[in-house]
Amino acid sequence: KAGVTQTPRYLIKTRGQQVTLSCSPISGHRSVSWYQQTPGQGLQFLFEYFSETQRNKGNFPGRFSGRQFSNSRSEMNVSTLELGDSALYLCASSLGVSGGRETQYFGPGTRLLVL
Amino acid sequence: AQRVTQPEKLLSVFKGAPVELKCNYSYSGSPELFWYVQYSRQRLQLLLRHISRESIKGFTADLNKGETSFHLKKPFAQEEDSAMYYCALSGTGTASKLTFGTGTRLQVTL
Repeated sequence: KAGVTQTPRYLIKTRGQQVTLSCSPISGHRSVSWYQQTPGQGLQFLFEYFSETQRNKGNFPGRFSGRQFSNSRSEMNVSTLELGDSALYLCASSLGVSGGRETQYFGPGTRLLVL
Repeated sequence: AQRVTQPEKLLSVFKGAPVELKCNYSYSGSPELFWYVQYSRQRLQLLLRHISRESIKGFTADLNKGETSFHLKKPFAQEEDSAMYYCALSGTGTASKLTFGTGTRLQVTL
């Protein structure tokens, strides 16, 4: 099976702009989670989508949002970018059938640089 | 609240020496614990999870509920074990949210 894919792999934006990142899960996986990875804060959970519904949310401001499509592909959007949003954004997928306590398979990440 | 602590940022060992990567957690319910590994220029991948009780690449980890620990161990380190290791926790009723520790970089030298 093909692994989790994320596009684009690299992105440079300026403050105030918005950005959309895309994630395609492993075929058959219905749960998609997003994480932010920074040197200072490490890996932090953003949100999880299952069957097109947000099932869980981390402690991030409303500028961070996401959605999931009927084919389980997911997008996350960050509006009004700030310098502190520079990070590696990871997407992970899982089957989503065991209440979430399953192995998550990670994509390669999208590295976002905000100038 | 759930929290995972990995006290060591860097662990340097000689090839053939035993390895122990420490992980402590804080969670009031019954957690599911994982170890994820990230090799250089590769994506984050699962190494093992406590519920499966497997030994992967010679690594084992035992969940100690009394000490709230899930330390990762290997009797003899290999050069190819050099990587970043993350301990992670999933709680009950929290869907697919993983809470990660800050990670420990394992460096195996000759």
